[in-house]
Amino acid sequence: AQTVTQSQPEMSVQEAETVTLSCTYDTSESDYYLFWYKQPPSRQMILVIRQEAYKQQNATENRFSVNFQKAAKSFSLKISDSQLGDAAMYFCAYRSQGTSGSRLTFGEGTQLTVNP
Amino acid sequence: KAGVTQTPRYLIKTRGQQVTLSCSPISGHRSVSWYQQTPGQGLQFLFEYFSETQRNKGNFPGRFSGRQFSNSRSEMNVSTLELGDSALYLCASSLDGQPYEQYFGPGTRLTVT
Repeated sequence: AQTVTQSQPEMSVQEAETVTLSCTYDTSESDYYLFWYKQPPSRQMILVIRQEAYKQQNATENRFSVNFQKAAKSFSLKISDSQLGDAAMYFCAYRSQGTSGSRLTFGEGTQLTVNP
Repeated sequence: KAGVTQTPRYLIKTRGQQVTLSCSPISGHRSVSWYQQTPGQGLQFLFEYFSETQRNKGNFPGRFSGRQFSNSRSEMNVSTLELGDSALYLCASSLDGQPYEQYFGPGTRLTVT
């Protein structure tokens, strides 16, 4: 079974600065997908960024980028120019490419605080 | 397009009762997954339905069940409620074959007293 670990329960960052959230995972599969989801106080889960394991290039979405290290099974999220609206719980998630459908395995989450 | 909707948004039940939660996916999405979110256990996968068939199931007792209708709307049922079933229940829908596009609903907050 796959597992996802987020070792930072809480992080804080000053507005306009950069923060990196860590995520490691364990799998025996070679093809899979990784995601970062954001959950603000409204509890609505929002997809932030995604990465296909077969792609060596790190995904980027505006101020959000990842550092995907497949051999190390590491998938960190970098938020640049942090904004107050980035404050939320962030979840790292894993999805198999195979026959397990849409099932996501989530990490424990990292609560991000953005200080003005 | 309308997003994923879940009803009701909030629910209070008593131990021993049963509850049914509903999820309407985005139009055209045939896959619906359910997750339970609690402070202690985090986000855990309950089950996934695709074309009215359960395609995948998490590690939950048989008190948790679900179904999907021909219009892709899904319901989950919890029988004989326990205090530990208090949680936020999230559903997510996606197009089959589209691994990225999984959209979540706002959740149903269930409180068991």
